[in-house]
Amino acid sequence: DAKTTQPPSMDCAEGRAANLPCNHSTISGNEYVYWYRQIHSQGPQYIIHGLKNNETNEMASLIITEDRKSSTLILPHATLRDTAVYYCIVRVGSNDYKLSFGAGTTVTVRA
Amino acid sequence: DGGITQSPKYLFRKEGQNVTLSCEQNLNHDAMYWYRQDPGQGLRLIYYSQIVNDFQKGDIAEGYSVSREKKESFPLTVTSAQKNPTAFYLCASSILAGNTIYFGEGSWLTVV
Repeated sequence: DAKTTQPPSMDCAEGRAANLPCNHSTISGNEYVYWYRQIHSQGPQYIIHGLKNNETNEMASLIITEDRKSSTLILPHATLRDTAVYYCIVRVGSNDYKLSFGAGTTVTVRA
Repeated sequence: DGGITQSPKYLFRKEGQNVTLSCEQNLNHDAMYWYRQDPGQGLRLIYYSQIVNDFQKGDIAEGYSVSREKKESFPLTVTSAQKNPTAFYLCASSILAGNTIYFGEGSWLTVV
């Protein structure tokens, strides 16, 4: 799996958009970018994933650069409940169960 | 609600005792997984099952055992052979092996 690099922490104001960057410069052509988040003492929550096109769902948007070496997760209107550790991972999918979570980005949403 | 249910949420056991963590899913997923997460660390794969009556060892299977007799159930037994069993245990599932993996709420096991 390609490694990912994320900033260790970031703050965001409630109601504003939160933009979380992730670098994955060694990503392979068949690897997807996945985002999960984890609130303390809870299981990770799947947010979104993509291969090369931008993706949007009810939780967030995922913007992947054309060269696929980096991506940005966008939480459009952050709430206090979005405070969590956010993990960006890359995985092939088939036969890839190990989900190599790094340190992630600790996002704190402030009122 | 559809989802993955783990129980119990918190469990305390004495050293030397076996303990079984329950995991049930009503998502009709074929694949199920068990991970271990230690404080401040990532996930480590214990066992996975791609289909009923079949399971495979992950990276840290020693001291653990599983069964997959029903599609919706994948219990994990932490045996006395596991040297450092105190951890946060996560059960997960996916429609098929390799698809998006969804997690349960986790179970905290403390062995004293």
